[in-house]
Amino acid sequence: EAGVTQFPSHSVIEKGQTVTLRCDPISGHDNLYWYRRVMGKEIKFLLHFVKESKQDESGMPNNRFLAERTGGTYSTLKVQPAELEDSGVYFCASSQDRVQQFFGPGTRLTVL
Amino acid sequence: QQQVKQSPQSLIVQKGGISIINCAYENTAFDYFPWYQQFPGKGPALLIAIRPDVSEKKEGRFTISFNKSAKQFSLHIMDSQPGDSATYFCAAQAGTASKLTFGTGTRLQVTL
Repeated sequence: EAGVTQFPSHSVIEKGQTVTLRCDPISGHDNLYWYRRVMGKEIKFLLHFVKESKQDESGMPNNRFLAERTGGTYSTLKVQPAELEDSGVYFCASSQDRVQQFFGPGTRLTVL
Repeated sequence: QQQVKQSPQSLIVQKGGISIINCAYENTAFDYFPWYQQFPGKGPALLIAIRPDVSEKKEGRFTISFNKSAKQFSLHIMDSQPGDSATYFCAAQAGTASKLTFGTGTRLQVTL
């Protein structure tokens, strides 16, 4: 069974540019989560999808972040325009049994 | 405000020794406490988890001790091995399928 995959693994962009991160959850997992870890700090929750609906988006920092989940399958997280403080590792996780969350390898975003 | 506090930030243990990582929480609504292990370049992976109705859970060399009255829980790694060298995150969850709230992580190095 394939795990959670994320693309790209690394992204380096300049301040003001747009970046789109993609997450493919484990097949059949209705729950999809986005988290972010800024260097040295805790992994912080961004938002939670159940199928294609946003269940909880209380962790989204501001309206420069837009998350979508097309047809309840893969999800994208767009940052537009990117700021320096958006740098970090963005993790996606999915779950089926509503308890254990399986994490992807993350996308390391660097905003210069 | 950090809801889950984790210590120490880093830990060096000799092979065969015991590694101990501590976490404390404030939110009494938390009802699930997982520990995640992360190797460089990989996403966090569930290691072991506990619910507050038990005070201890053991899986192989890994044990969680849970003190509900003190709102503290800890991970003990017995007979630590170089392959255990990784970053460990404690986390907490309030309600099934909800977001995980993480500690800041502990970088463990097991030396020969």
